[in-house]
Amino acid sequence: GDSVTQTEGLVTLTEGLPVMLNCTYQTIYSNPFLFWYVQHLNESPRLLLKSFTDNKRTEHQGFHATLHKSSSSFHLQKSSAQLSDSALYYCALSAGMGYKLTFGTGTSLLVDP
Amino acid sequence: GGIITQTPKFLIGQEGQKLTLKCQQNFNHDTMYWYRQDSGKGLRLIYYSITENDLQKGDLSEGYDASREKKSSFSLTVTSAQKNEMAVFLCASRLGSQNTLYFGAGTRLSVL
Repeated sequence: GDSVTQTEGLVTLTEGLPVMLNCTYQTIYSNPFLFWYVQHLNESPRLLLKSFTDNKRTEHQGFHATLHKSSSSFHLQKSSAQLSDSALYYCALSAGMGYKLTFGTGTSLLVDP
Repeated sequence: GGIITQTPKFLIGQEGQKLTLKCQQNFNHDTMYWYRQDSGKGLRLIYYSITENDLQKGDLSEGYDASREKKSSFSLTVTSAQKNEMAVFLCASRLGSQNTLYFGAGTRLSVL
C-alpha cells in the first residue's frame, strides 16, 4: 500500500536559520497528491500546503515545497525559521482514487531564540 | 465555515470495555475519517467513509468498528479496550478526494 516517510523525528534549530523537513513517499499510482499539515500544541492538524503538479513550487505562509515525482519527494522548506514555527509537521499522500489519505510519522520542529 | 464536533473530549475506560466515540460535521462533506494519533507514530488511519452508509478499512482497523448512518455523523467503537492504552482519536472530513482535510479537536482515551 501507500506509505510516507519522514526521517526526522525532531528538528531543533535557531531562529533565523533555514528550515528543511524531509518527506518521501511510495505509491503504485502515477497521480500522487501531496500535503503538508501542521499541528501546534493543543491544536488539531491543519493544512499548510498541497500539490499534485510535478516540479512546480507551491508556497503558503512563508513555507514552500516542490513535488518531485522522479525522486518521490515533497520536502518542506522555509528560508528563515520563526519561534512561532515550532510545531509538529505531517506529510501526507493521496493517490489512486484519492479518498485514502496516508500520513507520515511526523517531524517535531523546535525553534530556539 | 463549518465545524467538526467530537464527543466526548476525554474518555476513561476499563480493560475489555466497549467504548464509542462520536463525530459530527456540518460542512456537508462526503468523506469522513477516523485517525489514531500516538506520539512517534504519526496519524494512522482506522476507518474512512466515502459517503453515507459506506465503510472502508484503514491500516489500523483491527479492534475497531465504525458506523456512518448519516452524512453528518461518523462513529467509532473500540471493541475491547486494552489495558494502559492511551491515544488521541481524531475525526476528520473533506469534500470528495484530494481536497483539504478538516480535523476535529480529538477524543483522548485512557484505559485503566
